[in-house]
Amino acid sequence: AQKITQTQPGMFVQEKEAVTLDCTYDTSDPSYGLFWYKQPSSGEMIFLIYQGSYDQQNATEGRYSLNFQKARKSANLVISASQLGDSAMYFCAMRGAYYGNNRLAFGKGNQVVVIP
Amino acid sequence: DTGVSQNPRHKITKRGQNVTFRCDPISEHNRLYWYRQTLGQGPEFLTYFQNEAQLEKSRLLSDRFSAERPKGSFSTLEIQRTEQGDSAMYLCASSWRAPSSRGNTIYFGEGSWLTVV
Repeated sequence: AQKITQTQPGMFVQEKEAVTLDCTYDTSDPSYGLFWYKQPSSGEMIFLIYQGSYDQQNATEGRYSLNFQKARKSANLVISASQLGDSAMYFCAMRGAYYGNNRLAFGKGNQVVVIP
Repeated sequence: DTGVSQNPRHKITKRGQNVTFRCDPISEHNRLYWYRQTLGQGPEFLTYFQNEAQLEKSRLLSDRFSAERPKGSFSTLEIQRTEQGDSAMYLCASSWRAPSSRGNTIYFGEGSWLTVV
């Protein structure tokens, strides 16, 4: 089976500090992709960052970086220099052959609240 | 605005009524997806279209649910004989190709909230 696990409770982070959101996954596919999405209270899922299973380097997109540890099957999101607008739910998702290459399997999400 | 558009954004309906949601994808995207999200959970896949063809359906899509994309552009999701368990947010998404890279990701709309009373 293919499974995404996000188990951290809600997190409070001070503005301008960094925060790490944990994501572990379970798959037997050799080829897969990992995504992080942000969901503010408005409901829209906003794409943040992507990591392919064969990518040699960890992905980075502005203040977002992905700490990809393939052997441990973890893909943690790091948000640097947090801003008040970063307060949202964050979802880790995976695409793989087992679940269907056209589907994303999502975790339950991590709640982040940035405090001034 | 060239993002994925969904309407209505909110719908309250009585149990047993039918509801229909509409999704307008990003114009150049030929793939369209429907997901459902309940409180405290991540989105769950419902169905996928490539152009007008419905190519995949989740077992979550019971026979009371039907999705169409008649001309390969906008899509509708209809729920017949709604039940309280259908209360959720229904997210539409689109993409140009299968989600396989930074450039081929899935873009979501703001969702349509359904409350069945």
